[in-house]
Amino acid sequence: AQSVTQLDSQVPVFEEAPVELRCNYSSSVSVYLFWYVQYPNQGLQLLLKYLSGSTLVKGINGFEAEFNKSQTSFHLRKPSVHISDTAEYFCAVTSAFGNEKLTFGTGTRLTIIP
Amino acid sequence: NAGVTQTPKFQVLKTGQSMTLQCAQDMNHNSMYWYRQDPGMGLRLIYYSASEGTTDKGEVPNGYNVSRLNKREFSLRLESAAPSQTSVYFCASSEDIRASGSNEQFFGPGTRLTVL
Repeated sequence: AQSVTQLDSQVPVFEEAPVELRCNYSSSVSVYLFWYVQYPNQGLQLLLKYLSGSTLVKGINGFEAEFNKSQTSFHLRKPSVHISDTAEYFCAVTSAFGNEKLTFGTGTRLTIIP
Repeated sequence: NAGVTQTPKFQVLKTGQSMTLQCAQDMNHNSMYWYRQDPGMGLRLIYYSASEGTTDKGEVPNGYNVSRLNKREFSLRLESAAPSQTSVYFCASSEDIRASGSNEQFFGPGTRLTVL
């Protein structure tokens, strides 16, 4: 089984500043990793995913994440945030073998300060 | 394409009442899921269906039942609602991992349920 830890429940950031949202996972097998974003009163939509290959993954809205196998991390970054990035961000993991379910972290609420 | 749709968007129930949450997807996905989202707890899987005609329990199945009516539709039923079931419910779907290469899930807009 897999697990995900998002250490920061809330992250306030000034507009145009950089941000990093942390995600650590635990698994005994190879994994696929995802970041989802949830804007207020909406469902979740995929930001980016890591399946294999390059450890730096680029997603929508200028976000990117780096897979670090030795540190079992998949941190999400953006060099300059905008007010519209205010949302909740969820990291998720699944086994790379078979039809395994997604396991979600508890989420990080990103608040952009004007 | 509509993607994943859910009805209703909002619902208020009294303790002991029953209701069914509806979900449909038009992406021809095999797998469908029901989650609940509570503050500080992320998304927790209630039930899932890997294919038409099959359903399995997730992390928090107690108090719920599901029906995979056909490939498109997956409903969630609360037989006797309790205040602890006040939550936001999300339906999701995904293609078979062997076909898609991943388990990317597509989510509906959610149903906000309050049980008084």
